[in-house]
Amino acid sequence: DAKTTQPPSMDCAEGRAANLPCNHSTISGNEYVYWYRQIHSQGPQYIIHGLKNNETNEMASLIITEDRKSSTLILPHATLRDTAVYYCIVRDQGAQKLVFGQGTRLTINP
Amino acid sequence: NAGVTQTPKFQVLKTGQSMTLQCAQDMNHNSMYWYRQDPGMGLRLIYYSASEGTTDKGEVPNGYNVSRLNKREFSLRLESAAPSQTSVYFCASSRQGNNQPQHFGDGTRLSIL
Repeated sequence: DAKTTQPPSMDCAEGRAANLPCNHSTISGNEYVYWYRQIHSQGPQYIIHGLKNNETNEMASLIITEDRKSSTLILPHATLRDTAVYYCIVRDQGAQKLVFGQGTRLTINP
Repeated sequence: NAGVTQTPKFQVLKTGQSMTLQCAQDMNHNSMYWYRQDPGMGLRLIYYSASEGTTDKGEVPNGYNVSRLNKREFSLRLESAAPSQTSVYFCASSRQGNNQPQHFGDGTRLSIL
């Protein structure tokens, strides 16, 4: 079972920052937080991951709370092409599989 | 950049037929994976190969076999297809080691009648 809770859907205006929350209150010390997204009919796309420090790459920023029980994925300037289902995944560092929950369906509106 | 390439993209089979799904990656990754995705469900791991020469079962291996042909290629075989295996199949690869992200192909959509 997925160890994360995400809102089922969100909307964001084009050009605005999209902030996607994720709750992972049972996360353990060895578990990383990963974010993927899946655009309709495509394979999941890796976005970013982190353990406890905030992370940033060319796609997004990941903010993890100090107690690590929740995190937020930030798409700084959302475009229509960012419309997708976003998955927050908690993964033990020794685990092979990724456990995808239901994710958040993010719709970017013009 | 090709990344992870899966063939075919679509396939329709009859019950009892056999088929091999192909996956190749050009990122020099050691680890490769096969998942299936069913409507309303998340991806479930079928088999994985942590490195060339090794394969291990995931959470839903029944009815499937795999072959790690070389470092680049990891195939998934259905010996006797069943309607319950109608799904979208995704292959992924990653560098070996902890906390390496997996990178996915665009999937094979398989229907079994």
